[in-house]
Amino acid sequence: DIQMTQSPSSLSASVGDRVTITCRASQGISNYLAWYQQKPGKVPKLLIYAASTLQSGVPSRFSGSGSGTDFTLTISSLQPEDVATYYCQKYNSARGTFGQGTKVEIK
Amino acid sequence: QVQLVQSGAEVKKPGSSVKVSCKASGGTFSSYAISWVRQAPGQGLEWMGRIIPILGIANYAQKFQGRVTITADKSTSTAYMELSSLRSEDTAVYYCAASLPNWWFDPWGQGTLVTVSS
Repeated sequence: DIQMTQSPSSLSASVGDRVTITCRASQGISNYLAWYQQKPGKVPKLLIYAASTLQSGVPSRFSGSGSGTDFTLTISSLQPEDVATYYCQKYNSARGTFGQGTKVEIK
Repeated sequence: QVQLVQSGAEVKKPGSSVKVSCKASGGTFSSYAISWVRQAPGQGLEWMGRIIPILGIANYAQKFQGRVTITADKSTSTAYMELSSLRSEDTAVYYCAASLPNWWFDPWGQGTLVTVSS
């Protein structure tokens, strides 16, 4: 099975900072990669699919890139409402494996 | 756009089974794949398995193989996830999520808390 590894597991940044989260697949998955945001006590929310396509309604400060095995989620200017845990997920097969998550906090 | 509504919270004894439902409305149920994802307290998201109702075919994560059964009733647009031989480590919020087959998950159900305790 393909494994998804995110880094870092947590980060603390200031409001307005640029934040980057990395997701690595153990095998190539083309661009079959999604990113989700989960705020405490809430349902996961789709942010990005096909590695770089922003879901409707998601602020433009979020962006995704990558293909193959290496992917990134970038928040261009961190806002207080972005405090959450972010998960990557591969969906190139029946098995929709998630990364272990990256918790983002405000410094 | 399909919407998913899950059944309510459950409290179960170790060794028993639980069956959680996920009812879809507002879309073509059979066109979607319905996946089940669980989240233990303070932990990440864990994909358990999925079903494509129009095909009636289910796929399971190896970790849950033999202990989880995912079914779908096309007549009521409802998917079910049954987990057997429950243990305390199965205490978690269980989510269903819809996708076109091999696409991203959107939307998600509201989650069902299953507590396993003696």
